[in-house]
Amino acid sequence: KQEVTQIPAALSVPEGENLVLNCSFTDSAIYNLQWFRQDPGKGLTSLLLIQSSQREQTSGRLNASLDKSSGRSTLYIAASQPGDSATYLCAVSNAGGTSYGKLTFGQGTILTVHP
Amino acid sequence: DTGVSQDPRHKITKRGQNVTFRCDPISEHNRLYWYRQTLGQGPEFLTYFQNEAQLEKSRLLSDRFSAERPKGSFSTLEIQRTEQGDSAMYLCASSFGNTIYFGEGSWLTVV
Repeated sequence: KQEVTQIPAALSVPEGENLVLNCSFTDSAIYNLQWFRQDPGKGLTSLLLIQSSQREQTSGRLNASLDKSSGRSTLYIAASQPGDSATYLCAVSNAGGTSYGKLTFGQGTILTVHP
Repeated sequence: DTGVSQDPRHKITKRGQNVTFRCDPISEHNRLYWYRQTLGQGPEFLTYFQNEAQLEKSRLLSDRFSAERPKGSFSTLEIQRTEQGDSAMYLCASSFGNTIYFGEGSWLTVV
């Protein structure tokens, strides 16, 4: 059974810092890995999707890497801003499953960026 | 169509009552998913549909839960004889291909 773990559970940083969020998964047979953002009481917004054959994806100040063989992914946020404050969730789609959208999520990292 | 729509956004119900949530996916998305999220945890997969066919159900979906997607458009998730442990946010998502879009969720509080 796939298990996804995110470290740290919470992170508080001053504005402007570069930061790294970590995600690990136990079964390396995945289709893809996604990073989502969730604001309090809201749904999820997809930030980056990395296919299993890819090593990284970038969008603006965000960069996500994937090391499938070791079961790890990192989300790098450059020059953090207060508006980045949210919960960040990592999720994997398992190979051999019936749908790309059947995701296994980590418990999330709660990020607070203070001015 | 601006996104996945869920209704109601909030529901408070007494233990033992039945509740139903509705999800309207993005037009032409053939796949629709239901997830459940409790405080401090990531979402957990419940079930998914491809068009009108329910193709997979999680063991989390007990006999009190039923989901439908008539005509392959909107979907409903019904919880019968609610229990306090059912209190959670129920998220709907839809996809066509790799990209998945989530709704804002329906909060359920069972008192």
